[in-house]
Amino acid sequence: GNSVTQMEGPVTLSEEAFLTINCTYTATGYPSLFWYVQYPGEGLQLLLKATKADDKGSNKGFEATYRKETTSFHLEKGSVQVSDSAVYFCALRLYTDKLIFGTGTRLQVFP
Amino acid sequence: GAVVSQHPSWVICKSGTSVKIECRSLDFQATTMFWYRQFPKQSLMLMATSNEGSKATYEQGVEKDKFLINHASLTLSTLTVTSAHPEDSSFYICSASGGGAQETQYFGPGTRLLVL
Repeated sequence: GNSVTQMEGPVTLSEEAFLTINCTYTATGYPSLFWYVQYPGEGLQLLLKATKADDKGSNKGFEATYRKETTSFHLEKGSVQVSDSAVYFCALRLYTDKLIFGTGTRLQVFP
Repeated sequence: GAVVSQHPSWVICKSGTSVKIECRSLDFQATTMFWYRQFPKQSLMLMATSNEGSKATYEQGVEKDKFLINHASLTLSTLTVTSAHPEDSSFYICSASGGGAQETQYFGPGTRLLVL
């Protein structure tokens, strides 16, 4: 079946550290891939997306590249801030409007 | 960006009672709304998809008679948990989109339900 696997958290970093959150997927077909972020007390927000292999999604300093050969979509940021503390969800969507989510990874950034 | 609200943000009820959760799109018309359930440290699991003016489509394993969904207008969908039991305690999240497979989903902040 179709699924998304994320690294377990929490991920704890100091401000200005490099961030990587791993995400791999299993899909029958060629999905679109997404990263959503959920700040405390708020709904999930679309952070970035990629719709085909080798596409790179980017937003707010975050990047993720759609790697078909490794079925991965790892989230990276070169220098995290305290304000990036949130829960990050990787998700895929195939040929319908349904999203399939990973379990989420909590990021905690300390000053 | 588009805003989706949910009400209430949390609710505690007695076993056997029914609870209604509202999901509203505040600044756009939501042709399609989705209801998810999230258990601690687990994924958001899609429960059902509803299109305005038509019956909801439930995912496999979701009891449609227990989780009643109504999408009567382009800005409002409701989820009613009927005869709630402790195992229904969870975090319920809705999302809304303008419709179509390529449309972005906008998520509400969620409703935490605790059934005693």
